[in-house]
Amino acid sequence: SQQGEEDPQALSIQEGENATMNCSYKTSINNLQWYRQNSGRGLVHLILIRSNEREKHSGRLRVTLDTSKKSSSLLITASRAADTASYFCATEGQAGTALIFGKGTTLSVSS
Amino acid sequence: DGGITQSPKYLFRKEGQNVTLSCEQNLNHDAMYWYRQDPGQGLRLIYYSQIVNDFQKGDIAEGYSVSREKKESFPLTVTSAQKNPTAFYLCASTGQGAYQPQHFGDGTRLSIL
Repeated sequence: SQQGEEDPQALSIQEGENATMNCSYKTSINNLQWYRQNSGRGLVHLILIRSNEREKHSGRLRVTLDTSKKSSSLLITASRAADTASYFCATEGQAGTALIFGKGTTLSVSS
Repeated sequence: DGGITQSPKYLFRKEGQNVTLSCEQNLNHDAMYWYRQDPGQGLRLIYYSQIVNDFQKGDIAEGYSVSREKKESFPLTVTSAQKNPTAFYLCASTGQGAYQPQHFGDGTRLSIL
């Protein structure tokens, strides 16, 4: 059962531009997480936002959460070529339950 | 350094053969997970274990089996009953407590000979 759906599926931008990815989900959540995956590698955790939080920042990353719309967005500011990767959102329903991942957004940043 | 080690990185399976993928963690995490990743499909949960000697099926457990005899280890066996095993397999673990992120290994790519 895939809960999160990222949009767009693919995104191509130039270095220095901002990249915005969106995630929609279907059921109530305890928290929502964003992960990054470089080609052929495992996932790396980027940021976790709790259901009672609306916005969170970490370096060049900004995540928002709108529980009324069941949606989240990940903004990467001043993108670099090294940001090229796939980005996944994942939701946790009740605390301690398994995460449900979306299909991901593939970001390409060209120099 | 603490982390999750998956081996082998590449694995080839002959028809009718069972193969076992290794996952070891030294993070002292209680919960461990196995995911399958196909192109364009994202991650799908195969099995997970929250404590030693206990595990639960995920969304696509058919054709797979696991064991959890030690806290550090959660091997996944892809049996001959899994007719389409070609995929990228990822192992993850999580620490105790709420709001814990998952830590991932670097995956095993399984192909059919």
